[in-house]
Amino acid sequence: DGGITQSPKYLFRKEGQNVTLSCEQNLNHDAMYWYRQDPGQGLRLIYYSQIVNDFQKGDIAEGYSVSREKKESFPLTVTSAQKNPTAFYLCASSIGIYTEAFFGQGTRLTVV
Amino acid sequence: GQQVMQIPQYQHVQEGEDFTTYCNSSTTLSNIQWYKQRPGGHPVFLIQLVKSGEVKKQKRLTFQFGEAKKNSSLHITATQTTDVGTYFCAGPYNNNDMRFGAGTRLTVKP
Repeated sequence: DGGITQSPKYLFRKEGQNVTLSCEQNLNHDAMYWYRQDPGQGLRLIYYSQIVNDFQKGDIAEGYSVSREKKESFPLTVTSAQKNPTAFYLCASSIGIYTEAFFGQGTRLTVV
Repeated sequence: GQQVMQIPQYQHVQEGEDFTTYCNSSTTLSNIQWYKQRPGGHPVFLIQLVKSGEVKKQKRLTFQFGEAKKNSSLHITATQTTDVGTYFCAGPYNNNDMRFGAGTRLTVKP
């Protein structure tokens, strides 16, 4: 089955720890994105990548880091510098920037 | 900040009533996309509009793209409880990525 997979679905971390969220796609898409969603809020762009080994900051990149070493993978690290990391994180991919985006199931991160 | 503005933020309707959400941009958009997110779920693509004045229908859903390509709307006729969720519009930003509106959360009372 083709699709985009995020893991884990739920994640708990202690304050001050870095945590990496996984995002893998087998759709052969060039573009990948990370969004953050807070309760009752819209989607805010953290980082995006249009091609392997290249990525750009979105609106709220501070406290986050990404890598794009493989076309299929776009992991997001939430660092201890992120002031309010508890949120629902969504990864998406698309053939190009103007085409339909496919979303993963999301990772709900809780930092205590 | 948000590239596209979406209103209303919330809409509560009685089952069978109609529903409309609006999306507005200060700049001309090359295209606009609409997504639906069910409670607890992830956004799912509904449609993309590209042409000025374009109107597309999916059963009870009607999507419109304005003549100036700066606004768009999604209209649902005779809502059902299965329509519950948050509807997002998304538009291209700086020719680099898609930015989402804040969404309209629809609740339907049976």
